[in-house]
Amino acid sequence: EADIYQTPRYLVIGTGKKITLECSQTMGHDKMYWYQQDPGMELHLIHYSYGVNSTEKGDLSSESTVSRIRTEHFPLTLESARPSHTSQYLCASSDTSRGGGEQYFGPGTRLTVT
Amino acid sequence: AQTVTQSQPEMSVQEAETVTLSCTYDTSENNYYLFWYKQPPSRQMILVIRQEAYKQQNATENRFSVNFQKAAKSFSLKISDSQLGDTAMYFCAFMKHGGSQGNLIFGKGTKLSVKP
Repeated sequence: EADIYQTPRYLVIGTGKKITLECSQTMGHDKMYWYQQDPGMELHLIHYSYGVNSTEKGDLSSESTVSRIRTEHFPLTLESARPSHTSQYLCASSDTSRGGGEQYFGPGTRLTVT
Repeated sequence: AQTVTQSQPEMSVQEAETVTLSCTYDTSENNYYLFWYKQPPSRQMILVIRQEAYKQQNATENRFSVNFQKAAKSFSLKISDSQLGDTAMYFCAFMKHGGSQGNLIFGKGTKLSVKP
């Protein structure tokens, strides 16, 4: 399996709390991504980054924010969690210098906001 | 804009048999990649197979092969000798080639169940 990690794997939290989902990869990949996925459903790209200090919004509007201070680390933050944020969040990375486009995915964080 | 359509929300197959998952896409691009990703229950998404649009030869990875029809914009996945471990969600995905590497566009997925 790929060297990309996400913590926590599961999180149950109350409305209004601030949360940060962690994502790290040890492959030296330059590009990283965050997807939102409801169980058994399609993936929606919410954020991506081409490298350090680069962040872009994806196709699906999200109230979350991201940062990329280090190449290997791409955390996602929700300032005030709401029940509508309940979903699975997948992090991924890719090496754009290699071509081919393959993305490597983390195990996901399943978030429940009560 | 590109779109990817998987018309089979769920499929099942008996162990050791062959199954084909369908995928069609819409694009005006000439150079692109197509992918099939597998997401087993509670496990990480992994790449199954990749096809480069400029290659006419269909990609093959062990028991997995594709039928790539560029003119028809069709990209089906055939799984031969199905195994219980093939039970998973399968996502078809598209990506433009070149530039600063585009983003993947996923279909809605097909849930495949392999029955003993």
